[in-house]
Amino acid sequence: DAGITQSPRHKVTETGTPVTLRCHQTENHRYMYWYRQDPGHGLRLIHYSYGVKDTDKGEVSDGYSVSRSKTEDFLLTLESATSSQTSVYFCAISESSTEQFFGPGTRLTVL
Amino acid sequence: KQEVTQIPAALSVPEGENLVLNCSFTDSAIYNLQWFRQDPGKGLTSLLLIQSSQREQTSGRLNASLDKSSGRSTLYIAASQPGDSATYLCAVDNTDKLIFGTGTRLQVFP
Repeated sequence: DAGITQSPRHKVTETGTPVTLRCHQTENHRYMYWYRQDPGHGLRLIHYSYGVKDTDKGEVSDGYSVSRSKTEDFLLTLESATSSQTSVYFCAISESSTEQFFGPGTRLTVL
Repeated sequence: KQEVTQIPAALSVPEGENLVLNCSFTDSAIYNLQWFRQDPGKGLTSLLLIQSSQREQTSGRLNASLDKSSGRSTLYIAASQPGDSATYLCAVDNTDKLIFGTGTRLQVFP
């Protein structure tokens, strides 16, 4: 398995609180991605990064921000969590136009 | 806007059957197509990657084909086993971003 870890694996939080999810890779891949998975919607891209400090928006980026200060770490922040952000969040890595490898996921519940 | 559709949404078959899962996409300008497996409560495991210049890829009992001009891919599973039970997802790569279908949930019973 590709060396990708996500933390925390589970989190319950309250509406309005900030939340940061971490993705860590040991593969030195250039690209990193954050997706959310919801019933009926499949996986949707939130944000992605194509290098240190280089990030761009995906399909469902509203309410989320990201940062990548090191090759190995990609952080996803919910500045003020809402119940609509209850989801399972997956991180993925790849080199350009090649296979994407996924982390184990973080289950986030916003009450 | 690229849209990816997977049919059927769910499939239940007896052990030993050969299966075909379908994936269709609306924009043929793709870099590659990837098939994944997802077990309940788990992450995605990459099964096969087909580059846009390729027609098929094989791994063990799995064979994936790609027809860009018609916007279709199929995943063929030979001699299905109960351990193949999972959700199978296809995703197409448009400019380093994957667009996913909603998956086919497969159950193989003994």
